[in-house]
Amino acid sequence: GENVEQHPSTLSVQEGDSAVIKCTYSDSASNYFPWYKQELGKRPQLIIDIRSNVGEKKDQRIAVTLNKTAKHFSLHITETQPEDSAVYFCAAEFGGYQKVTFGIGTKLQVIP
Amino acid sequence: DTAVSQTPKYLVTQMGNDKSIKCEQNLGHDTMYWYKQDSKKFLKIMFSYNNKELIINETVPNRFSPKSPDKAHLNLHINSLELGDSAVYFCASSLAGAEQYFGPGTRLTVT
Repeated sequence: GENVEQHPSTLSVQEGDSAVIKCTYSDSASNYFPWYKQELGKRPQLIIDIRSNVGEKKDQRIAVTLNKTAKHFSLHITETQPEDSAVYFCAAEFGGYQKVTFGIGTKLQVIP
Repeated sequence: DTAVSQTPKYLVTQMGNDKSIKCEQNLGHDTMYWYKQDSKKFLKIMFSYNNKELIINETVPNRFSPKSPDKAHLNLHINSLELGDSAVYFCASSLAGAEQYFGPGTRLTVT
C-alpha cells in the first residue's frame, strides 16, 4: 500500500546551523508533496509544498527538493532559529484519490 | 473568521460512552478529512469526504461513523468508546490536490 518513510525521527541542531529532513514514498503516481509544521499543542500548518513537475522550491530559509526517479524528497531549513523547533511532517498525495499520507514526523530541536 | 473549527476542544468521557465531534469549514473547500494523532504524534487519516461523498475509509473500527450533512461540515460519532481511542482528533479541509487546513484539534480522553 501507500507508504511514506521519514527520517530522522528526532534532530537537534545548534542555532544558525542547517537542518535536513528526508522522506521517501512508494507510489510513483504521487504528484503532490506538502510539508507541515506542528508546534507543541497546535495544529499542523503547511510551510511549503512541491509538485512533481518541479525539482526544487524555495521560500526564504526553507527549501524542498524532489527526486521523482528515486522517489524521495527533502526539507532544508537554513540558519535555524529557536522558533523553528517543532515537529515536521512530510506527506505525499497518492493515486489522485486525494489521500495524503503523512510520514511519522521529525521532532526538530534548535538549541540556542 | 475561523477557517476550520472543531467542537469540543477537550472531551473527557468514560469507557463505553458514545460521543460526537463536530467540524465546520468556511473556506469553500470540497474535501474534508478526519485524522487521529496518537501520543507518539503520528498523524493517521481516518476518513475523507469529497462533496459529501465518502472517498477514503481507512481501517477504522466501525464504532467510528462520519457524517457529512453538507460540504462545509463533517462530524465524527464514536460509539462504545475504548481506552485506545484516547488521542487528538483533527479535522481538515482542502480543495482536491491542494493544501490541507487543519482545525485546532479535539483532545479525547477515555477513562
